[in-house]
Order: sequence, then structure tokens, then C-alpha cells
Amino acid sequence: SAVISQKPSRDICQRGTSLTIQCQVDSQVTMMFWYRQQPGQSLTLIATANQGSEATYESGFVIDKFPISRPNLTFSTLTVSNMSPEDSSIYLCSGQLGTSVRFYNEQFFGPGTRLTVL
Amino acid sequence: GIQVEQSPPDLILQEGANSTLRCNFSDSVNNLQWFHQNPWGQLINLFYIPSGTKQNGRLSATTVATERYSLLYISSSQTTDSGVYFCAVTNLRRDNYGQNFVFGPGTRLSVLP
Repeated sequence: SAVISQKPSRDICQRGTSLTIQCQVDSQVTMMFWYRQQPGQSLTLIATANQGSEATYESGFVIDKFPISRPNLTFSTLTVSNMSPEDSSIYLCSGQLGTSVRFYNEQFFGPGTRLTVL
Repeated sequence: GIQVEQSPPDLILQEGANSTLRCNFSDSVNNLQWFHQNPWGQLINLFYIPSGTKQNGRLSATTVATERYSLLYISSSQTTDSGVYFCAVTNLRRDNYGQNFVFGPGTRLSVLP
């Protein structure tokens, strides 16, 4: 298994500002992902954080709004830019174990970052 | 992309009762996981079960990949079982580049004392 931590656990931000969320995994993982969970909803994948290259974004999510970094195999950041109240959600990071990107393996999730935008 | 359905959407149980949650998916999958999201928002891994049957204490799960469904059984439910149960599946994208990892809408379970 993998233990994943996120910082901050929660934040209240003003419209128009940006927030960077950090995700740390206690072991090297093949893949890392960022998800959004809007109030009362299921989880939606934002992007795959690729180590050493640009993230792969899902339809409806763009790099200018959600820039992502992954400098090594155990750490990633997600920035929510130019925030509006519609960005109020829980943002979750996950890591996937496995030695090959084509052998999809179990995902483990961080505790999430609860973001409120006023 | 792949579609995931879960039923029932809501479930209220008396403590000690048993229940079955269902997950249907529209395409073949490489992986399937069941999660429990507790009232504090933490996602807890229950089962990694792309096929077959697994048991862990009062919980068990069965995935019949050829028929595109999975079941989660909860026996002798406890108030701490309350929360939302998600099924999530992974399959290859059509272009064979990358993967889809799709969550179902969840089943909200309330266990009453």
C-alpha cells in the first residue's frame, strides 16, 4: 500500500487568488492523479501528473487553470488558479502502485483538501 | 468513455442488517476498486477486485467481469459503516494511450443505531 498526505487539509480563499496543494507519497509510485469532488458529487479526474513532463488533462480541465507539477516519483502539486466560488470542492491526490503504466494497479488516495472560495 | 452506475443511490439500514451494493459498467475493465468515503471525506480502499471474490471481515466483494458488474456485501452492519461507497473502474482508452479511471455516482449508506 501507499500512504499519501496532502497540504493544506482545508483553506478558505478569496475570489481571484490561487492556491497550491501539495501531495506527498511515502513510496515511489508509477502514476499520480488529481481529482475534484464537488459538493455532494462523485470524483472526477482532473489530470494525470507525469514525472518530468507536462500533465495529461481530462476533457474540461486546462493547464492554465490547474497547473500541475511532478518533480519526482513521490511528490506532486496542483494549483487552482484565479479561483471563483465554483472551484469550491474537495481536491484529492492519488497514487498508483505498479511497475508499468500499462498494468493498471490499485490506487490509494490522500485525505483531500477542502477548498472554499468566497 | 466507460459508464459506471451504482445502485441503490441511498440506503438506510438498522444496525445489524445485511446489504448488497451493486456496480454496473458499460465496457470491459482492467481494474475495479471499491472505496468507502467516511464522513470526514477520507477515501478508504475496501477492495481491489477486477475479477473474482474477496472477503475482508464483514465485507466481501464479487466482480463478474464478463457480465460487467460487481457486488459489495456488507454483513452485520455497524454505525461506523455509514458514508458513501464508490465503485471505480479503469480501462484502456480507445486509442490505447493512457487509461480511463471512472468513479460511479456512489451509494450513500446510513446505518442507524
